[in-house]
Amino acid sequence: AQKVTQAQTEISVVEKEDVTLDCVYETRDTTYYLFWYKQPPSGELVFLIRRNSFDEQNEISGRYSWNFQKSTSSFNFTITASQVVDSAVYFCALSELTDSWGKLQFGAGTQVVVTP
Amino acid sequence: DGGITQSPKYLFRKEGQNVTLSCEQNLNHDAMYWYRQDPGQGLRLIYYSQIVNDFQKGDIAEGYSVSREKKESFPLTVTSAQKNPTAFYLCASTPDGNTEAFFGQGTRLTVV
Repeated sequence: AQKVTQAQTEISVVEKEDVTLDCVYETRDTTYYLFWYKQPPSGELVFLIRRNSFDEQNEISGRYSWNFQKSTSSFNFTITASQVVDSAVYFCALSELTDSWGKLQFGAGTQVVVTP
Repeated sequence: DGGITQSPKYLFRKEGQNVTLSCEQNLNHDAMYWYRQDPGQGLRLIYYSQIVNDFQKGDIAEGYSVSREKKESFPLTVTSAQKNPTAFYLCASTPDGNTEAFFGQGTRLTVV
């Protein structure tokens, strides 16, 4: 069963618009980790953020912000004032403590296209 | 610079051949992983290893084999039993399984 769902396949915006990427996860564990990775056209996955299940504090890092809500099992990601360099595929991933050692379960990814 | 090196970047395989993808890390990480990525899909786990000389099957291990003879190296062999091997393969590592994974640049395998 799919444990991480990214319902948006592709989002296209014009530069300087905000973009919000949705991520919904499913787990029975009480302790787990959530991640966002960026995959530019070069292919390598670039780590953006990790949250553990006990830390629901939202986070802002530059133009990036994350909204973690356990009540709705969501971990959404917003890019503010998007730039062309933000064009990439973004993946949400889950790591469960009982099945740990870093095994990641990925969503299908959301392609973000930012045009000038 | 520390990191993960995958080689080759592009690989072409004929039907019935076995091919080996290389993954080397100098991050001193204990755990290493192989993922497969198909177009429009997320990454799926093939094999993982927590320590030297030990490895476990992931979700899609059929048609693949691995070894972990050294901490730094975790090669993946795509055997002729793998029915549809054309994909993008990514290697990753973590120090303890609870921190973020570091990824290599990937190998794109095509069957010709």
